[in-house]
Amino acid sequence: EDQVTQSPEALRLQEGESSSLNCSYTVSGLRGLFWYRQDPGKGPEFLFTLYSAGEEKEKERLKATLTKKESFLHITAPKPEDSATYLCAVQKAVRGTSYGKLTFGQGTILTVHP
Amino acid sequence: DARVTQTPRHKVTEMGQEVTMRCQPILGHNTVFWYRQTMMQGLELLAYFRNRAPLDDSGMPKDRFSAEMPDATLATLKIQPSEPRDSAVYFCASGSTGGEENTEAFFGQGTRLTVV
Repeated sequence: EDQVTQSPEALRLQEGESSSLNCSYTVSGLRGLFWYRQDPGKGPEFLFTLYSAGEEKEKERLKATLTKKESFLHITAPKPEDSATYLCAVQKAVRGTSYGKLTFGQGTILTVHP
Repeated sequence: DARVTQTPRHKVTEMGQEVTMRCQPILGHNTVFWYRQTMMQGLELLAYFRNRAPLDDSGMPKDRFSAEMPDATLATLKIQPSEPRDSAVYFCASGSTGGEENTEAFFGQGTRLTVV
C-alpha cells in the first residue's frame, strides 16, 4: 500500500530562519511527487511536481528536491506569509484506475514568526 | 482566472438528510477528483473521474455516497442519508490527463459539511 509520511508535524520558525520539511514515501512505481500549500479555510494550492530522483525545482523562497525515498521542501529566509500547511502527495505510474490518483501525507504546519 | 468552483461553501444539515455538493471543474480539464479532509485522516480520495467516467471510487462508502458527472461542466457528490461522521471538508479537484501526460490537480475552495 502506498504510504506518505511527512515530518515534522509542526514547525515554528523565526522570520529569516531557514529550514526543511521532509516527505518520505513508499510507492511501487512513482509517477510524480507533488507539493501543495494549504492556507486555513482554503483548498490546497499547487507548488511543484518532481518526477525523478535528483530533480530540483525552485519558486521564490522554496526549493523542492527528490530522492528515491524522500523529498525535501527547503525554505530559505522564510517570511510570516509563508505560514501554511505544506502537503506532499505521490502519484503512481500505473495505468488504469489508480492512474492520476494522488495519495497525500498528513502535512506539516509551518508557522513563521516576525 | 481559471478555477475550480464548489457549491455550497458551507452546509449544516441534520442527520438523515440528503446532501448534494457540486463542482464545476476548470474548462478543458478531463479528470475530476473528490477528496475529503478531516483532522484525523487528512486528505482521502473518494472518487476519480476521467472523461466523465468513474475510474476509482474505492474510497467512497457505497451505501450512502454517490458521485456523478452529468456533463463535462458539473460533478456532484451526494450523501444520503448523512451521518455525523460525514462532517468534514469536501474538496473537488480537476486536472488534465492524456496517455502518459498528466497535469497537477487544481483544487476548489471546498464545502465544509457539518451533520448534527
